[in-house]
Amino acid sequence: AQSVAQPEDQVNVAEGNPLTVKCTYSVSGNPYLFWYVQYPNRGLQFLLKYITGDNLVKGSYGFEAEFNKSQTSFHLKKPSALVSDSALYFCAVRAPNSGYSTLTFGKGTMLLVSP
Amino acid sequence: DTGVSQNPRHKITKRGQNVTFRCDPISEHNRLYWYRQTLGQGPEFLTYFQNEAQLEKSRLLSDRFSAERPKGSFSTLEIQRTEQGDSAMYLCASSSRAANTEAFFGQGTRLTVV
Repeated sequence: AQSVAQPEDQVNVAEGNPLTVKCTYSVSGNPYLFWYVQYPNRGLQFLLKYITGDNLVKGSYGFEAEFNKSQTSFHLKKPSALVSDSALYFCAVRAPNSGYSTLTFGKGTMLLVSP
Repeated sequence: DTGVSQNPRHKITKRGQNVTFRCDPISEHNRLYWYRQTLGQGPEFLTYFQNEAQLEKSRLLSDRFSAERPKGSFSTLEIQRTEQGDSAMYLCASSSRAANTEAFFGQGTRLTVV
């Protein structure tokens, strides 16, 4: 079965500093990987995805993520954090053993950006 | 608004009552998903439709839960004989058939069972 781990419950960063939110996955075969963001009392908003090709993918709001197959990781990054980036971030995976149908999510990481 | 729409946004019910939630997906999407999210957890998969066919159900979906998508458009999720443990945010998402496309989520229905 596929699974996603987000090892940090919370990440704190000062505005203007780079941020990294970590994600590792466990699947059989080649995964499709996604990052979503959730603001309070809202649904999830798609940020970016890795399907194939270039290991560095760019997404919305200046976020990017790097796929590392050997480390089974897909860490989310941003060169310069904004206070408005403070939110709950989820990593998710689709795997071939589910026919790439269902999304399996990590527990989420709360990002807090201080002014 | 052409996004995923869920109704109601909030529902408070007494234990033992039945509740039904509705999801209207993005019109051209033929895949529809239901997830449940509790505080401090990521969304947990409940069930998935492709058009009107329910193709996958999680073990989380007990026999008190039933989902339908009768014409391959909107979907309903019914919970019978609600329990306090059913209190959660219920999220609906839709996507196109292609597996490499992202799912778009609605704002969710927050259920509180008292």
